[in-house]
Amino acid sequence: AQSVTQLDSQVPVFEEAPVELRCNYSSSVSVYLFWYVQYPNQGLQLLLKYLSGSTLVKGINGFEAEFNKSQTSFHLRKPSVHISDTAEYFCAVSDRKNSGYSTLTFGKGTMLLVSP
Amino acid sequence: GAGVSQSPSNKVTEKGKDVELRCDPISGHTALYWYRQSLGQGLEFLIYFQGNSAPDKSGLPSDRFSAERTGGSVSTLTIQRTQQEDSAVYLCASSLGQINIQYFGAGTRLSVL
Repeated sequence: AQSVTQLDSQVPVFEEAPVELRCNYSSSVSVYLFWYVQYPNQGLQLLLKYLSGSTLVKGINGFEAEFNKSQTSFHLRKPSVHISDTAEYFCAVSDRKNSGYSTLTFGKGTMLLVSP
Repeated sequence: GAGVSQSPSNKVTEKGKDVELRCDPISGHTALYWYRQSLGQGLEFLIYFQGNSAPDKSGLPSDRFSAERTGGSVSTLTIQRTQQEDSAVYLCASSLGQINIQYFGAGTRLSVL
């Protein structure tokens, strides 16, 4: 069974400051890793993904994440946040299955609160 | 381009009534997923359909919940005899191919009074 832990339920930060949202996972098999963002009253939007290759992945809106296999982590970072980044962020994992079909296991989410 | 479409966006119902939630996936996507998002529970997997195979129903919380997918496209999630604890946002996602990148709809917010 897989699990995803997002250690911080809420992260307050000032505008233009850097931010890191932490994500750790556990799985007995190789995985794909994802970060999704959810703005108020909207669905989930894919922010970035790690499938293979370079462990540093870049996504939309200036976000990036680094896959660390030894620490089973996939932390999300942004060097300078904007007010518009205020949203809930979900880390998710899915098995690497030959069929390509498997469900996503989500963390509980981290609410990023950016203030002026 | 068209994304995943869900309807209605909001549904208010009385306890004990049945409700149907609809999901129209991205055209050509062969896999379709339903999740539930509720306070304190986060995002929970409910059911998924892959192509013409039997669906994986392992996440359905009770036999009051069922889903079908007609013609490999549109899906309907049905909740019978709704209870207050069914109040949540129901999210649908679809994906294509070997790499499981799921694209989500905006969800249906269900409120059971």
